[in-house]
Amino acid sequence: DAKTTQPNSMESNEEEPVHLPCNHSTISGTDYIHWYRQLPSQGPEYVIHGLTSNVNNRMASLAIAEDRKSSTLILHRATLRDAAVYYCILRGGFGSGTYKYIFGTGTRLKVLA
Amino acid sequence: SQTIHQWPATLVQPVGSPLSLECTVEGTSNPNLYWYRQAAGRGLQLLFYSVGIGQISSEVPQNLSASRPQDRQFILSSKKLLLSDSGFYLCAWNSGQAGNQPQHFGDGTRLSIL
Repeated sequence: DAKTTQPNSMESNEEEPVHLPCNHSTISGTDYIHWYRQLPSQGPEYVIHGLTSNVNNRMASLAIAEDRKSSTLILHRATLRDAAVYYCILRGGFGSGTYKYIFGTGTRLKVLA
Repeated sequence: SQTIHQWPATLVQPVGSPLSLECTVEGTSNPNLYWYRQAAGRGLQLLFYSVGIGQISSEVPQNLSASRPQDRQFILSSKKLLLSDSGFYLCAWNSGQAGNQPQHFGDGTRLSIL
């Protein structure tokens, strides 16, 4: 299973943009990049996913490098409610034969008021 | 809409006692089902997943087992709990095999072994 590497922790000021990086140098051509976040004492929550092109939704934006070996989750204006652990994971595409989502240790985002 | 239910929310069990955690999904058919465990301050460890009734894949050898007696029901069990089984247990589901399907999690069960 392809692995991802994320910084252990990051800090951001409230109302400022946050860029959360993820390296996935062994990504295969059919792997999707997923991002989840986990608030304290809750199950992870889906944030966004992408394959090759940048993606936007109501929660965040996902910027994917041209070689797909890295990606960045962008929170446009951090709020205190965005303080969570953010996980970047790879998910094999259709026909890959895998159903697994392999979670690493994620990045703990601290938002300062 | 689809929902996932997981219970109980918290559980305190003595060492050596049995365990049964249940997870059910509503509003979808033939989901892929997953059990994860999260130790305090750590990431999620995939324990089991199932792509159909009676089909269980085990990721980590341990004294836990999983069963899927019905399409939308996933059960995590143990005959004798160990102290190391303490943790936050999460059930999750997603649809199909396509990699663009997000995974949806339950609220988790916090298990403490005494």
